[in-house]
Amino acid sequence: EVQLVESGGGLVQPGGSPRLSCAASGFTFSNYWMHWVRQAPGKGLVWVSVINSDGTSTRYADSVKGRFTISRDNAKNTLYLQMNSLRAEDTAVYYCARGRYCGGDCYWIDSWGQGTLVTVSS
Amino acid sequence: NFMLTQPHSVSESPGKTVTISCTRSSDSFASKYVQWYQQRPGSSPITVIYDDNQRPSGVPDRFSGSIDSSSNSASLTISGLKTEDEADYYCQSYDGSTWVFGGGTKLTVL
Repeated sequence: EVQLVESGGGLVQPGGSPRLSCAASGFTFSNYWMHWVRQAPGKGLVWVSVINSDGTSTRYADSVKGRFTISRDNAKNTLYLQMNSLRAEDTAVYYCARGRYCGGDCYWIDSWGQGTLVTVSS
Repeated sequence: NFMLTQPHSVSESPGKTVTISCTRSSDSFASKYVQWYQQRPGSSPITVIYDDNQRPSGVPDRFSGSIDSSSNSASLTISGLKTEDEADYYCQSYDGSTWVFGGGTKLTVL
């Protein structure tokens, strides 16, 4: 069974730099692209970032580019999101998610963690 | 870049059929592929449709997806509605470099 367990959320001051982790199990982690997706309270899903299976390629949403860094440790089956210069609008539940490819431009997410809440407030 | 627009909410009675639309702001859905995710209150999302019209294992065949290239839109249809289908539904597509989600549609089954 695929399991994705996020940690590292909590109350953070504006400008803070928390690091989120996502422990993966139940599948061969090093074979999959991995995503971070966030959801502000009462709002919709917003894609944040993706990393390819060996960690050599990353992409970011414009809203976090230059502030957030996605990385992974395939030996530890763990995905990370280093968040810097946090703002109130970064307050959200952050989901770790497993990516899948089905040909052409068909990219989707097949598994989601339970999420970790990051609250940016003084 | 493009945007995916969904109706804010829809409602229907148990046993009926409902369709949720997702309209792409530019280009066509042709060869772009759409996915649909269900998020029940207080839960993480799950995938109900990928690759326009494919169901992951475990998703009942009451859920179906389609593309209408003429209107640049995708649709999620749920037949034989059950109260457990009450949830938020999100469409998603890929724009060549980033993943884009629609704003979500709240389905009420009453």
